[in-house]
Amino acid sequence: EAGVAQSPRYKIIEKRQSVAFWCNPISGHATLYWYQQILGQGPKLLIQFQNNGVVDDSQLPKDRFSAERLKGVDSTLKIQPAKLEDSAVYLCASSLDGESQETQYFGPGTRLLVL
Amino acid sequence: SQQGEEDPQALSIQEGENATMNCSYKTSINNLQWYRQNSGRGLVHLILIRSNEREKHSGRLRVTLDTSKKSSSLLITASRAADTASYFCATDARGSSYKLIFGSGTRLLVRP
Repeated sequence: EAGVAQSPRYKIIEKRQSVAFWCNPISGHATLYWYQQILGQGPKLLIQFQNNGVVDDSQLPKDRFSAERLKGVDSTLKIQPAKLEDSAVYLCASSLDGESQETQYFGPGTRLLVL
Repeated sequence: SQQGEEDPQALSIQEGENATMNCSYKTSINNLQWYRQNSGRGLVHLILIRSNEREKHSGRLRVTLDTSKKSSSLLITASRAADTASYFCATDARGSSYKLIFGSGTRLLVRP
């Protein structure tokens, strides 16, 4: 079974530039998550989709971050404009239905460095 | 905000020894999960323990949960160099949907 795919794996940009990350979840998984993991910390949920609808984006900095999952499968996360403090690993995860007892399956992440 | 806090932040042991990591959390939970993250890679689910369970085993892993103290521990027995990784506890949180809140992690180094 193919896992969660993410691209690119690494990205270096200058502050105020834009960047986009792509995620392809496990086939059949209705729920998709984007996490931000700053060095030395645990992942922090940015946004959660159920199919193509947003169910939680309470910790997404909406002035600069946006995400979409138009057809309920792939998702993109965009930062515009980037700040130095956005340097982090961006992890995508998926789960079957978004229920409490489910396992979340994580992709390898995109490591972003903002200079 | 971080719901769980792991202790210790870092742990270095010799191959073959046991490793114990602790997690404390703040609010009531339905379940608690442990994940492992190897350097530069995504997280891998290890084990889930429900709030009505006190102990659970999976291979060389043993997890305990004390809801009265809002704490959990992860024991890895007979450690191997391949166990070197960061270990995170994650608790579910009720909101508009279920979501996981991760702790800050314990970085485990197993010396060969």
